[in-house]
This record gives sequence, structure tokens and C-alpha cells, in this order.
Amino acid sequence: NAGVTQTPKFRILKIGQSMTLQCTQDMNHNYMYWYRQDPGMGLKLIYYSVGAGITDKGEVPNGYNVSRSTTEDFPLRLELAAPSQTSVYFCASSPTTGSSYEQYFGPGTRLTVT
Amino acid sequence: GQNIDQPTEMTATEGAIVQINCTYQTSGFNGLFWYQQHAGEAPTFLSYNVLDGLEEKGRFSSFLSRSKGYSYLLLKELQMKDSASYLCAVRRDYKLSFGAGTTVTVRA
Repeated sequence: NAGVTQTPKFRILKIGQSMTLQCTQDMNHNYMYWYRQDPGMGLKLIYYSVGAGITDKGEVPNGYNVSRSTTEDFPLRLELAAPSQTSVYFCASSPTTGSSYEQYFGPGTRLTVT
Repeated sequence: GQNIDQPTEMTATEGAIVQINCTYQTSGFNGLFWYQQHAGEAPTFLSYNVLDGLEEKGRFSSFLSRSKGYSYLLLKELQMKDSASYLCAVRRDYKLSFGAGTTVTVRA
């Protein structure tokens, strides 16, 4: 199993540009999450999904959108990028059986908006 | 909501013991996680406590007191590779709320 994979690893955007951060998991987990992590700060939940076709907002959803058309994929869309969106973005997934709902994280996408 | 506090930084010597405290105030609680995060990498799971008491896993132990809203992570026989950030996270249903993390520096 590859686990949770994210692309790209790094990206520089100009203000006002848009992009999609990709996230895929091959563990058949129903729950998936997007976080951002700023220096010296904890992970903040942007959006989450409890299954294909179902998404909901987390703590800091403004400026972002998500979709979940399959169990495996959970892309995060940035429209009209702003410098405040400079951050490291982590995708995570968790199983629902058993469970402590332990989250498994992808390697992250480092985004700079200038 | 969740309010999770942990110290910003700790420094210790190789071979020593370090205890990282985490206090939380929460409107709901289903368990507490500790994650390790090396610089530039993703968080990885260390431990999970749902009941009061101590959970031991090799050199790492985690303690929980639900009545006090308190947990600690104990790292024994510190090694240089333990230099990392340690994140406390409170679970409510299937979502986690994270503290800001404690950066542990291990010195020779």
C-alpha cells in the first residue's frame, strides 16, 4: 500500500491564481481530511469528508473548496490564491472500523503565494 | 470548542527522560492522540489514550486523566532521532483538534 499520497510536493502561485492539491489513499478509508499547518501552529482542519459524495467544512474553510467523487480521492481547490494561504497542506485519512479513528497523513504540499 | 495547550519547546540530553504535558478544555472528548512530526515531514502516530492511566509502548509512554483534562507523553532513553515536534490531539467523534506542538531538541 502506498498509503496517502499528495501532489505536488511544492508549488509557488501568484496572487489570484488557482490550483488543485491532489490527495489519494489506497487503504479504503471512508474518512478523509485536509489540514493546513503554519509555522509554530497546530494543524487546522479545512474540510473533511465521511464518504464519497459527502463533504463538510472544518475550522478554516474560507478560500477553499473540496469534492469527493470516489472513496480514494479528495482534491482541495484554491480559488484566487492569497498570501494568507501560504502554508503546508496535509491530507489525512482514517478508517471507521475498529476504531480510534487514527489518522494517516500524506507527505504534505508546501505552497507559497507571492 | 477545543483549547489545547502544550509547551512550545523543550531541550534534553541524549539518554535522559523528557515529559511533555498537554492540557485541554473541550466540549466533547472521545480520546487523545500523540503524534511525532520531524521537520519537513508528515505527523506519524505515537499513542492513543481513551481511558485514564498509562499506556506504555517501548521507550514512549502516554498518560491520561480525563477528570483533569490532562495528558503527558514520556520519552525515555532519549536518542538524537527523537528530536522532533510532538503534537497532542483531542478526538471528538471522528475529528481531531491539535495543539501547536512541542519541539524537543536532544543534545549530545
